[in-house]
Amino acid sequence: AQSVTQPDIHITVSEGASLELRCNYSYGATPYLFWYVQSPGQGLQLLLKYFSGDTLVQGIKGFEAEFKRSQSSFNLRKPSVHWSDAAEYFCAVDTNAGKSTFGDGTTLTVKP
Amino acid sequence: EAEVAQSPRYKITEKSQAVAFWCDPISGHATLYWYRQILGQGPELLVQFQDESVVDDSQLPKDRFSAERLKGVDSTLKIQPAELGDSAMYLCASGQDRGGETQYFGPGTRLLVL
Repeated sequence: AQSVTQPDIHITVSEGASLELRCNYSYGATPYLFWYVQSPGQGLQLLLKYFSGDTLVQGIKGFEAEFKRSQSSFNLRKPSVHWSDAAEYFCAVDTNAGKSTFGDGTTLTVKP
Repeated sequence: EAEVAQSPRYKITEKSQAVAFWCDPISGHATLYWYRQILGQGPELLVQFQDESVVDDSQLPKDRFSAERLKGVDSTLKIQPAELGDSAMYLCASGQDRGGETQYFGPGTRLLVL
């Protein structure tokens, strides 16, 4: 069975600083990997996804993520954080059958 | 832009009562998912539909939860009887196909069981 670990429960960064959110997965085959963002009381919005090919994936809102098979990681990055990026971020792994497993999320706080 | 609709947005009920949640997926989306999200955790898949058929309900507590998608379009998730531990956000998502597809999430229904 697949699993996802997001080691950081809460991260605080200053506005304009760079950001990296960690995600480690466990899955026997090549996974489909996703990052979602959730604002308080709302549903999830897809930031980016990795299926195959280039291991550096670009997403919306200036986010990118890098798939590293050797480390079973799919970390999310942004070079300069904006106050509006404050939210909860979820990493997810999907199987060929479409069964998604989510991590427990990382809450991002942005300091002015 | 098409969106996944859910209702109600909020529901307060007493334990042992019945509750129902409704989801209308994006038009043309064959797959529909119901997730439960407990505060501080990620979404957990309860049931997955492909058209009107259940593909995966292995995590659905079938003694009290039921889900249907009779015409392969909108879907209803029911809890009867509700328990205190059912307090959570219930999210619906839809997609065009299985296997690594993008899932589009609705705003969710926040359930509080007293």
